[in-house]
Amino acid sequence: SQTIHQWPATLVQPVGSPLSLECTVEGTSNPNLYWYRQAAGRGLQLLFYSVGIGQISSEVPQNLSASRPQDRQFILSSKKLLLSDSGFYLCAWGEGLNTQYFGPGTRLTVL
Amino acid sequence: GQQLNQSPQSMFIQEGEDVSMNCTSSSIFNTWLWYKQDPGEGPVLLIALYKAGELTSNGRLTAQFGITRKDSFLNISASIPSDVGIYFCAGPKNRDDKIIFGKGTRLHILP
Repeated sequence: SQTIHQWPATLVQPVGSPLSLECTVEGTSNPNLYWYRQAAGRGLQLLFYSVGIGQISSEVPQNLSASRPQDRQFILSSKKLLLSDSGFYLCAWGEGLNTQYFGPGTRLTVL
Repeated sequence: GQQLNQSPQSMFIQEGEDVSMNCTSSSIFNTWLWYKQDPGEGPVLLIALYKAGELTSNGRLTAQFGITRKDSFLNISASIPSDVGIYFCAGPKNRDDKIIFGKGTRLHILP
């Protein structure tokens, strides 16, 4: 069966510091991978998605970036965090458009 | 562009009551997905619908794919405290590798 992991689970970072969040998927090959951000009590905002290694599509211009160095690894990064980057970051995987399965999330607080 | 509108935004009900929520769009969808998000966790897929008119159950949950293909409904019977959370509807965006989400219905259960 497929599983999706995210780490860290929680993170507190100062403004201006770098960021690296990791997502890995097991039990599937060549999945579509997605990064979402969720502000407190709000809906899901799609940040990036990838249909293959090295292929990244950005949905919202911002100071975040994503990379997919391996088939089942998706990384969300920033060189300098802003206060507005605080939120709950969710990674998801899917096969085609039938559905998406979410990871447990990373709670990021920027101080 | 395609958008999903969920109603109501939030609900306050007594334990044991039935719950009904819906999701509408100005565009036709070929798949409807319903997710539930517990506080602090990633959304979990509850029900997937693939055919207009389809009615699918998952325990106390029942979802229907509207005949017009522009709406879907989720019902929860005899609510219990663990039903608390945010319920999202979702569907694949046309000719794209993305799924769009509604803003969610937040369910509260009064003691």
